[in-house]
Amino acid sequence: EVQLVESGGGLVQPGGSLRLSCAASGFTFSTYSMNWVRQAPGKGLEWVSYISSSGNTIYYADSVKGRFTISRDNAKNSLSLQMNSLRDEDTAVYYCARENGATIYGYYYYYGMDVWGQGTTVTVSS
Amino acid sequence: EIVLTQSPGTLSLSPGERATLSCRASQSVSSRSLAWYQQKPGQAPRLLIYGASSRATGIPDRFSGSGSGTDFTLTISRLEPEDFAVYYCQHYDSSRTFGQGTKVEIK
Repeated sequence: EVQLVESGGGLVQPGGSLRLSCAASGFTFSTYSMNWVRQAPGKGLEWVSYISSSGNTIYYADSVKGRFTISRDNAKNSLSLQMNSLRDEDTAVYYCARENGATIYGYYYYYGMDVWGQGTTVTVSS
Repeated sequence: EIVLTQSPGTLSLSPGERATLSCRASQSVSSRSLAWYQQKPGQAPRLLIYGASSRATGIPDRFSGSGSGTDFTLTISRLEPEDFAVYYCQHYDSSRTFGQGTKVEIK
């Protein structure tokens, strides 16, 4: 079964740090790009960060740039998000999501985020 | 940075009715880069449509996507009880921007 399982969420004070993990199984993790997406309570989805299959290409949303670091360990089928200098507005459910796509004749065809974890909750509060 | 604006914010319909959801991009985007997701309360999002009009695996054919340039549409031909949810459009480039969502609620 294709599966993503997040862990590492919890309660942290403003200015603190937290490391989220996402364990992948049931597919060849090293061939897929991955994303972190979050959802604040009662709000919509917000993309947080992207990492390519090799880890060579990384993007961040402006709201987390300089504070969050995405990484992956293809040998361990694992994705991580190191979150530093946390703020109240970082409170959210954090999802990891597999990105599907293919490069054909030089064009990247985006097939969407087709597998999602169940999410892990991060609460930033004093 | 491309901004996606979804309308309406809430759509109140009855089972069996047709739902038409709009997603407008702040500038022209490639159809290859546009996806739609469904999210029910307490659940992770589910991919419905990619490439503006291709259904993801296992998605019923009552869901269809269309559009190009700046205007995209998700249509649910006949609403089933399980279709009442929030729907998001999403665009990929160097970021993966989501629209703010449209809630489809039971009238």
